[in-house]
Amino acid sequence: DAGVIQSPRHEVTEMGQEVTLRCKPISGHNSLFWYRQTMMRGLELLIYFNNNVPIDDSGMPEDRFSAKMPNASFSTLKIQPSEPRDSAVYFCASRTSGSGQFFGPGTRLTVL
Amino acid sequence: GNSVTQMEGPVTLSEEAFLTINCTYTATGYPSLFWYVQYPGEGLQLLLKATKADDKGSNKGFEATYRKETTSFHLEKGSVQVSDSAVYFCALANQAGTALIFGKGTTLSVSS
Repeated sequence: DAGVIQSPRHEVTEMGQEVTLRCKPISGHNSLFWYRQTMMRGLELLIYFNNNVPIDDSGMPEDRFSAKMPNASFSTLKIQPSEPRDSAVYFCASRTSGSGQFFGPGTRLTVL
Repeated sequence: GNSVTQMEGPVTLSEEAFLTINCTYTATGYPSLFWYVQYPGEGLQLLLKATKADDKGSNKGFEATYRKETTSFHLEKGSVQVSDSAVYFCALANQAGTALIFGKGTTLSVSS
């Protein structure tokens, strides 16, 4: 079975550019999570969705960040405009009731 | 608020040594507790979990017991292998079982 799929795996962009990260959760999972991992702050939950509805976005750092889940099989995390301090590894995870969270391989974002 | 505290790393061991990675938590109610492992360049993988007091989670020779009286969930393995070298994260989930709060991670390095 395919796990959580994220794209791209690596993204290098310049400050001010728009960045879009993509995630396909495991089929049948009804919750989706976006995390950010940095050396300084560790793993931080940014936002999560239940049944495609955003439930808690209190971890989204600022208005430059937005996330959508238009259907059960796709989600995006957008940063506009990007800044060097956004450089991190961004993970998507999904789960279904009673299961633990399954993580994707991550997107390593570098903003120059 | 809820939080997880892990022992500082890195932990450096020789093959076949005994491993303990300490984890304590602060939470209201009765959270579920997890250990995740992250191998270099990969996403997090669920290693084991426990959902109520005195439960013992186990997988691949690793085990951890949910101790409510000491609010701890220490990870142990009797004989580590080089292939166990990774970063280990302790985490707790709220009672709805949705959002995870992670510790900062402990790097384990095992040499032959």
